[in-house]
Amino acid sequence: SAVISQKPSRDICQRGTSLTIQCQVDSQVTMMFWYRQQPGQSLTLIATANQGSEATYESGFVIDKFPISRPNLTFSTLTVSNMSPEDSSIYLCSVDGVGGTDTQYFGPGTRLTVL
Amino acid sequence: AQSVTQLDSHVSVSEGTPVLLRCNYSSSYSPSLFWYVQHPNKGLQLLLKYTSAATLVKGINGFEAEFKKSETSFHLTKPSAHMSDAAEYFCVVSALNDYKLSFGAGTTVTVRA
Repeated sequence: SAVISQKPSRDICQRGTSLTIQCQVDSQVTMMFWYRQQPGQSLTLIATANQGSEATYESGFVIDKFPISRPNLTFSTLTVSNMSPEDSSIYLCSVDGVGGTDTQYFGPGTRLTVL
Repeated sequence: AQSVTQLDSHVSVSEGTPVLLRCNYSSSYSPSLFWYVQHPNKGLQLLLKYTSAATLVKGINGFEAEFKKSETSFHLTKPSAHMSDAAEYFCVVSALNDYKLSFGAGTTVTVRA
């Protein structure tokens, strides 16, 4: 498995501002993912972040709203831009391919509240 | 394309009694199937996974799941519930060798003393 940390664990932000969430993993991984979990709902994939290439966004998510960086094989950031209350969610990162497996391991999540 | 349907949004059991969480899947290809658990204010933890090996999969904390291709099901069971099992459970499917996960809506498990 992998040990994944996220910062911050939670935050309360004002509408119109931006927040950058960090995801750090304790081993090198090829693929990192960002998910959103809206209140009381399941997880939705936002984008896939591979090191050395642009992130691939799922339908309904755009780079201007959720820019992602992947500077190396152990780290990624997700920015939630120009926030509105509808962005209040838990944001989780996950990694795939640890030890050659096809299992995704998840970070603890960042709980975001937008006022 | 693949998808999962969790048949129960909420399951309530008494401590010490069996737990059954039902999941049906749809997949165009040989699927990989997972169960994850999310305790309150925690991230997701992998309980178990199926990837075309044995149809009965044993996971952590006494959970197991059986893959039934004829019924397109992957139900999760535990013979004796513990208070610490109270959590949200997600059934997840992906096509074999495909990283994209499709999550079910989740089942909330409540354990009564």
